Amino acid sequence: DIQMTQSPSSLSASVGDRVTITCRASQTISKYLNWYQHKPGKAPKLLIHAASNLQSGVPSRFSGSGSGTDSTLTISSLQPEDFATYYCQQSYNTPYTFGQGTKLEIQ
Amino acid sequence: QVQLVQSGTEVKKPGASVKVSCKTSGYTFSNYYINWLRQAPGQGLEWMGMIDPTGGSTTYAQKFQGRVTMTRDTSTSTVYMELSSLRSEDTAVYYCARDYLIIGAAYNGFDPWGQGTLVTVSS
Repeated sequence: DIQMTQSPSSLSASVGDRVTITCRASQTISKYLNWYQHKPGKAPKLLIHAASNLQSGVPSRFSGSGSGTDSTLTISSLQPEDFATYYCQQSYNTPYTFGQGTKLEIQ
Repeated sequence: QVQLVQSGTEVKKPGASVKVSCKTSGYTFSNYYINWLRQAPGQGLEWMGMIDPTGGSTTYAQKFQGRVTMTRDTSTSTVYMELSSLRSEDTAVYYCARDYLIIGAAYNGFDPWGQGTLVTVSS
């Protein structure tokens, strides 16, 4: 199975900050990398697919980059509604696997 | 619009089975895989497996092989996930999620998702 490792596991930040979350795969996954936002009591939301493609309706302050084994999710200017847990996920092969999550909290 | 609506909360005893449904609408049912995932309390997201609605073929995560069965009813565009021999560690919110892109496309993800079904396993 492909192991996905996110860092950091948690992050405190303020509204307006720029934050970056990284994700490393245990083997090359090309651009088969997705990012999700998950808020308590709600279903996860796909933000970015294929490493850098922003889903329709997702604000442009979110961006993704990377390929191979390393990827990043960047939020350029945090908004109050962005405080949530973020997961990366590989779709290179089954079993599809997720990172352990990054909990983004208000500082 | 595309919607996935799941069945309601379940409470089961250890050793029992649970069957969760996921009714889809708003798109051509046969064109997209449906996946099942779960999140246990305090844990991350875990992919359990997927089903091809066209022929019903399935791919399961090794962890669940022998305990999980995914089926579909093409007449109602509904997918089912049955998990047997339940134990306390199976307590989780279970989600169905459609592949974002059509079968055969590269770089897929999960979108949209059902609202989640809480399954509690307790004696």
